[in-house]
Amino acid sequence: QSVLTQPPSASGTPGQRVTISCSGSSSNIGNNHIYWYQQVPGTAPKLLIFRNDQRPSGVPDRFSGSKSGTSASLAISGLRSGDEADYSCATWDDSLSAWVFGGGTKLTVL
Amino acid sequence: EVQLVESGGGAVQPGRSLRLSCAASGFTFNDYAMHWVRQAPGKGLEWVSGISWHSASRGYADSVQGRFIISRDNAKNSLYLQMNSLRPEDTALYYCAKDLSSSGSYKGDAFDMWGQGTMVIVSS
Repeated sequence: QSVLTQPPSASGTPGQRVTISCSGSSSNIGNNHIYWYQQVPGTAPKLLIFRNDQRPSGVPDRFSGSKSGTSASLAISGLRSGDEADYSCATWDDSLSAWVFGGGTKLTVL
Repeated sequence: EVQLVESGGGAVQPGRSLRLSCAASGFTFNDYAMHWVRQAPGKGLEWVSGISWHSASRGYADSVQGRFIISRDNAKNSLYLQMNSLRPEDTALYYCAKDLSSSGSYKGDAFDMWGQGTMVIVSS
């Protein structure tokens, strides 16, 4: 059971906008930055969003992040087939003194 | 270009030990904290351990505390993970990951660059 809760799956059609949620508590999301990773099966994770809503260079502005209280969301607009991947959220947990991840959300582009 | 190359994985019996290595290049290694993150087959990501730039501060997941030891050699641009008393539940792909910021602390920021991983299988 992951400390951060994500839906196991999400889907959308090309061009659509989808959001993936990540729920935590006051000891993790509520008090620390959230990070999002994209992982295409068989490859290493790639940093998509850092410090809640910042994009590394090279990440398209179709990807955006937000945080409110003890929850966070990743939004992907203009969905493309190449966006099919697993998406995971991560943050520091003050109580556990550890980095924690969500269980991951598998995004399918229909 | 940042490169992280893990090695040392393999198949081992429960209770035995294994030492993973990660060779880093393309950045000033001793400016950054480093981490080990693992992924069991078909499962999500799990942070294993982190170490500050000067090795003075180290942290572990509860699941490996007391069994795993993280270390680094800044002169060799290398990160290590000594894994003792291995259990079947330690079976996973182990990634070496670089911290995002040059604060030097493993607690401050998450991971921006990852290696390709080295597989560890613990089975009798």
